[in-house]
Amino acid sequence: AQSVSQHNHHVILSEAASLELGCNYSYGGTVNLFWYVQYPGQHLQLLLKYFSGDPLVKGIKGFEAEFIKSKFSFNLRKPSVQWSDTAEYFCAVNAPTGKLIFGQGTTLQVKP
Amino acid sequence: DTEVTQTPKHLVMGMTNKKSLKCEQHMGHRAMYWYKQKAKKPPELMFVYSYEKLSINESVPSRFSPECPNSSLLNLHLHALQPEDSALYLCASSQGTSGFPPFFGPGTRLTVL
Repeated sequence: AQSVSQHNHHVILSEAASLELGCNYSYGGTVNLFWYVQYPGQHLQLLLKYFSGDPLVKGIKGFEAEFIKSKFSFNLRKPSVQWSDTAEYFCAVNAPTGKLIFGQGTTLQVKP
Repeated sequence: DTEVTQTPKHLVMGMTNKKSLKCEQHMGHRAMYWYKQKAKKPPELMFVYSYEKLSINESVPSRFSPECPNSSLLNLHLHALQPEDSALYLCASSQGTSGFPPFFGPGTRLTVL
């Protein structure tokens, strides 16, 4: 069965620190990969997506992610976080079946 | 119009009530979804509609009944729910079911008493 694993459940950083959130998936076929963010009290928003091509994808708000096929990974990065980045982050895989499978999520808390 | 709207925002219902959740999108998307999200948990897929036909039912109990009246609307009919069904119900839509990221609505916060 397809699954998505996010290694960090709760991350606490100070402003200006660098961020890397891990995501691994288990699916041998072609996948599309996404990171979603859910700010407190707001709905899920798409941060970035990977379909094919350049494995380094850039999203909104300075986020980027790198797809490493050999490691089945799609880690999210940001060089310098801000207090406003405090949110829940979900990695997701869209298999050809049409199902979007989410990881368990990572709560990011940025201290001012 | 680049958003998914959901009504109502909040709903409180008893276990014997019948209610409906509504979702609307005007982006021309042909796939629509219902997800259920508990606090601090990821969304769980419930149903997928593709071109107005139900394509995926994730073994959801029959007390939840989806309906897609047209390509812009998606309903979720609720009947005889249990307190453990209390959650945030999210609607989403996408251009298609494969390879297109869903856009999510704000959700309906459901409380079953």
